Amino acid sequence: GAVVSQHPSWVICKSGTSVKIECRSLDFQATTMFWYRQFPKQSLMLMATSNEGSKATYEQGVEKDKFLINHASLTLSTLTVTSAHPEDSSFYICSAELTGGETQYFGPGTRLLVL
Amino acid sequence: GQQLNQSPQSMFIQEGEDVSMNCTSSSIFNTWLWYKQDPGEGPVLLIALYKAGELTSNGRLTAQFGITRKDSFLNISASIPSDVGIYFCAGKETSGSRLTFGEGTQLTVNP
Repeated sequence: GAVVSQHPSWVICKSGTSVKIECRSLDFQATTMFWYRQFPKQSLMLMATSNEGSKATYEQGVEKDKFLINHASLTLSTLTVTSAHPEDSSFYICSAELTGGETQYFGPGTRLLVL
Repeated sequence: GQQLNQSPQSMFIQEGEDVSMNCTSSSIFNTWLWYKQDPGEGPVLLIALYKAGELTSNGRLTAQFGITRKDSFLNISASIPSDVGIYFCAGKETSGSRLTFGEGTQLTVNP
């Protein structure tokens, strides 16, 4: 139980294009989902907290107009990297928290490479 | 955001040895979580701790939630090669759902 999927697992795009990453909780409902970014040999950095049916809460320094988050249902959140640039290349990981729970379960991550 | 102090940063051990790593924080946490991350993968939950003083095992893994609620440790007994990876502690503050992560412990197990 508590499986989280992400799609795609990796993506290569040209600079200036937009990329959408999906995060799904497969066997549970998640009121809250989280988006993280991880650079090589570093820990996870929280980008934003996404609550179903409301606007996401972004961490300081994360541009909300660049990283668009939509959490339209209890099992799906999407992160869209708009006008991607090479510095946006990173490993993006989502997590989902069981409604009323205390534990976050992570997706397998999406590797983004912007050329 | 706030960081947890996780140590050691890396460990090189022989197969069969026991391993111990810990995390400390200046703030109180309501929940402590331990994750393992393999290269190119997302973190996988190993153990969740919800009460101060709680000691929980998962196979060869044992973790404890410190009495002060400001620290936690993870022990791995009789290590095997597949234990290789990065181990992260994470604390959840009482005020909300966000997790604060440690910097990770890179574990290498030599056969």
